[in-house]
Amino acid sequence: DGGITQSPKYLFRKEGQNVTLSCEQNLNHDAMYWYRQDPGQGLRLIYYSQIVNDFQKGDIAEGYSVSREKKESFPLTVTSAQKNPTAFYLCASSIGSSKLNIQYFGAGTRLSVL
Amino acid sequence: KNEVEQSPQNLTAQEGEFITINCSYSVGISALHWLQQHPGGGIVSLFMLSSGKKKHGRLIATINIQEKHSSLHITASHPRDSAVYICAEGNQGAQKLVFGQGTRLTINP
Repeated sequence: DGGITQSPKYLFRKEGQNVTLSCEQNLNHDAMYWYRQDPGQGLRLIYYSQIVNDFQKGDIAEGYSVSREKKESFPLTVTSAQKNPTAFYLCASSIGSSKLNIQYFGAGTRLSVL
Repeated sequence: KNEVEQSPQNLTAQEGEFITINCSYSVGISALHWLQQHPGGGIVSLFMLSSGKKKHGRLIATINIQEKHSSLHITASHPRDSAVYICAEGNQGAQKLVFGQGTRLTINP
């Protein structure tokens, strides 16, 4: 089935540790996005990529890094510089980066700090 | 500053009731999206509209460009409609969508 797969579903980070969240899509979409969701707040954009080998910072990129080496994959690394990483992370993709395009979301990864 | 405000934040209703969720935005848009987030966290896109009205099953989305306001209606509500409903606007200037904080809907049997 076509869709977006995020893994793991739950992730725990120790102090000073970098962790990587996986996002894979088989929809042949050019654009991919990473969002962070905190209780009572709207989704906030961390990074987005309009095409392979290109990505741009969103509103809250500090403490995060991404890569887009393959069209179907857009992993997000939460670095030790991110002091408040506990949140729900959602990956999305769309056929293009136009605001008129529907975004398709993964099931999310819930990250907690040990 | 682009802002998206949803109301109410929480809504509880009985099965069968007609539901309305509101979304107001601050700048001119190119697209308004409605999304549904299930209790497990997954998000599904319901509608994208830039004018008028769209209908899918028991769901209806409307937008008034002049008033910068959109509504999502659910007819004959059912407990399976219980979810968080999120609106997001894409305005002409910015590259990204701006999301509202969501409306948590609970439909009791």
